[in-house]
Amino acid sequence: NAGVIQTPRHKVTGKGQEATLWCEPISGHSAVFWYRQTIVQGLEFLTYFRNQAPIDDSGMPKERFSAQMPNQSHSTLKIQSTQPQDSAVYLCASSLEPSAETLYFGSGTRLTVL
Amino acid sequence: GDQVEQSPSALSLHEGTDSALRCNFTTTMRSVQWFRQNSRGSLISLFYLASGTKENGRLKSAFDSKERRYSTLHIRDAQLEDSGTYFCAALNTGYQNFYFGKGTSLTVIP
Repeated sequence: NAGVIQTPRHKVTGKGQEATLWCEPISGHSAVFWYRQTIVQGLEFLTYFRNQAPIDDSGMPKERFSAQMPNQSHSTLKIQSTQPQDSAVYLCASSLEPSAETLYFGSGTRLTVL
Repeated sequence: GDQVEQSPSALSLHEGTDSALRCNFTTTMRSVQWFRQNSRGSLISLFYLASGTKENGRLKSAFDSKERRYSTLHIRDAQLEDSGTYFCAALNTGYQNFYFGKGTSLTVIP
């Protein structure tokens, strides 16, 4: 069990460029969560999937951010036209069942927008 | 507004001493999980509780089973390796989502 895998570990983009972040949940886990962490805001919920279906995206900025889970083995978070304020550590987590089980986190992707 | 209030925001402890961290919830929660974030940024799960208490070595956590509106994490005989940022995450009863506190930055001093 390799745990939750996030790639890349670090990404640097120029303002206005697109960034795609990848997450591979633990095999067999039905729930996948995306969070963003900054010094100022702390850990912010972005979105979550259950059995690949989007359940709650209330934390996603309405513009430029999108998340997908095309199959049970990976999810992507895409940020279009990145801005400096998007700089953060993006964390992915999975759990066997969202209502009953422990969250397991990946090591995160540190996004820096210049 | 914030569903989880975590305190204190920062804490310094001398080695060998004890302390407690707390999370208060603005509404009834189903369960709580405590994490420690290490210097590399990895969030490591310490405890998951749906009720009662759990203990692991020098760490002990409790979740108020009656009103389900707070949880505590006790650290006994603090060691240097306990330094890090501790987070609680509570699962809302109806929303199926985890809400995080803003963390407690713990520094253990020799």
